Amino acid sequence: AQTVTQSQPEMSVQEAETVTLSCTYDTSESDYYLFWYKQPPSRQMILVIRQEAYKQQNATENRFSVNFQKAAKSFSLKISDSQLGDAAMYFCAYRRNGNKLVFGAGTILRVKS
Amino acid sequence: DAGVIQSPRHEVTEMGQEVTLRCKPISGHDYLFWYRQTMMRGLELLIYFNNNVPIDDSGMPEDRFSAKMPNASFSTLKIQPSEPRDSAVYFCASTPGVATNEKLFFGSGTQLSVL
Repeated sequence: AQTVTQSQPEMSVQEAETVTLSCTYDTSESDYYLFWYKQPPSRQMILVIRQEAYKQQNATENRFSVNFQKAAKSFSLKISDSQLGDAAMYFCAYRRNGNKLVFGAGTILRVKS
Repeated sequence: DAGVIQSPRHEVTEMGQEVTLRCKPISGHDYLFWYRQTMMRGLELLIYFNNNVPIDDSGMPEDRFSAKMPNASFSTLKIQPSEPRDSAVYFCASTPGVATNEKLFFGSGTQLSVL
């Protein structure tokens, strides 16, 4: 079974600084997809960024980027120039082609002004 | 597009009562998922449908839980009888497909409290 591990229950970052959230996963597959979702206090789940396992280039979306290390099965999220609106619960998720999405336990990110 | 619509947003009920959660997926999305979120267990997939047919219900905790999708625009998750340990946020999500990197579109969730 696939598992997703987020080892940081909570992280803090100063506004305008950079923070990295960790995620590791366990799979025997070679073709799969990885996602980071953000859940603000409103409860809405919002896709932040996604990565295809067959792509070596790390995905980026404005201030958000990932460090995808396939051999190490690691998929960390870097948030640059942190803003107050980035405060939320962040979930790492894994999906094998055609299969269901499996989430990690989540990391609470607090942004200090 | 209104997105995935869930109702009610909050539900408070007493132990033993029947609870029905409702979901309207985004039009044209062939897949619908029901997730449960708790502090202890995080986000768990309960069941998902493809073209209104249940594909994987291995996450449904027990026989007290049932889900239906009578048509492409409506799904229900029913708990009968409800118990306090069922208290959680229940999310519905839909997506056009799962064969690519398609993202899930989530509803706002239903906060269920069973007293």
